[in-house]
Amino acid sequence: GAGVSQSPRYKVTKRGQDVALRCDPISGHVSLYWYRQALGQGPEFLTYFNYEAQQDKSGLPNDRFSAERPEGSISTLTIQRTEQRDSAMYRCASSFTSAGYDEQFFGPGTRLTVL
Amino acid sequence: GENVEQHPSTLSVQEGDSAVIKCTYSDSASNYFPWYKQELGKRPQLIIDIRSNVGEKKDQRIAVTLNKTAKHFSLHITETQPEDSAVYFCAAFYTDKLIFGTGTRLQVFP
Repeated sequence: GAGVSQSPRYKVTKRGQDVALRCDPISGHVSLYWYRQALGQGPEFLTYFNYEAQQDKSGLPNDRFSAERPEGSISTLTIQRTEQRDSAMYRCASSFTSAGYDEQFFGPGTRLTVL
Repeated sequence: GENVEQHPSTLSVQEGDSAVIKCTYSDSASNYFPWYKQELGKRPQLIIDIRSNVGEKKDQRIAVTLNKTAKHFSLHITETQPEDSAVYFCAAFYTDKLIFGTGTRLQVFP
């Protein structure tokens, strides 16, 4: 079956612009996570949804970052007034349940470049 | 909060040799420890995991050990092959999120 998908795969934007990154989790997966991965580093947690409820947003760097999952499926991560330091790979992951030991399946990521 | 340290950052081995990657975590509340393999330009993929009620788990050439008292866990790859070359990340599940280590770049030379 289809895995986790993300769009766009690449996004180049100018400083100060807003961007919206989309994640399509595996169908039926309850939990959805957003991570940011710098080159050569491990994924860094941003936020987590259980169904449509945002359960943890402790990893969002500042209030320019927000995320939603209104119908408990597709999720959007929005970055307002982008800055060069926001440049990174943004990945989402989904898991079948909210149990902590459930495998998280990662998407291909969106590589964001802020000029 | 949880912190995961991973060593070494790079590891080079000859094909057929074993490779060991070690991680430590700081919070005893963590209860699930997965290992992900990430090939160049690809997404991280789970290769093996262990829960806190188990001390060791094997899957063919890979094994993971967990020492809860010392808060250490390790990945062991035996009979390494060139296709094992990748970056490996350990992680600890803490409250509701995975905290990842900084990664180990494994190179297996033929």
